[in-house]
Amino acid sequence: GQSLEQPSEVTAVEGAIVQINCTYQTSGFYGLSWYQQHDGGAPTFLSYNALDGLEETGRFSSFLSRSDSYGYLLLQELQMKDSASYFCAVRDIASNYQLIWGAGTKLIIKP
Amino acid sequence: DTEVTQTPKHLVMGMTNKKSLKCEQHMGHRAMYWYKQKAKKPPELMFVYSYEKLSINESVPSRFSPECPNSSLLNLHLHALQPEDSALYLCASSQESTGDTEAFFGQGTRLTVV
Repeated sequence: GQSLEQPSEVTAVEGAIVQINCTYQTSGFYGLSWYQQHDGGAPTFLSYNALDGLEETGRFSSFLSRSDSYGYLLLQELQMKDSASYFCAVRDIASNYQLIWGAGTKLIIKP
Repeated sequence: DTEVTQTPKHLVMGMTNKKSLKCEQHMGHRAMYWYKQKAKKPPELMFVYSYEKLSINESVPSRFSPECPNSSLLNLHLHALQPEDSALYLCASSQESTGDTEAFFGQGTRLTVV
């Protein structure tokens, strides 16, 4: 079967760095995506990794290790507006390349 | 224009009502999606349209009926819903329905069935 695991909640301090991990189990991995969703809002695409390594976009970076079936989202210089839920999602050949979503990580940022 | 527009934003309907949710995108995307999201849960895929044809139906009950009138529009017709169908309904679009394509989401319709 297909499954993703990520922590349900992470707390960090404004200005700090936080890492949200995601491990996955799929039969035909195609790529790992990260989405941000504020309360009451829509999911917003953050990053996509198809190959091993680090992808950097401003304060956000995403890492993938296909051999470990593991990825993470790194958020630097945390701001209060980064308080949101973060979902990892994989595309899997067995699911017709459709996104399979993790349960989401609620990021709480304290001043 | 990188927006997916959904209407209405909120909808309250009775179990005997018929209503429709609407979604529009003008990014030239060939894939459009309906998702259902319950509170504190990830989005749950319902339907995928690719090039205006229904390509995936995730075993959704027939009281939900999708329609894709053209490449920019996606509707979801609702009939005889149950209270447990109350949720946030999200429309999304992407360049293609497969591959490394970013999905753009609308703000959703918050549906309450009474």
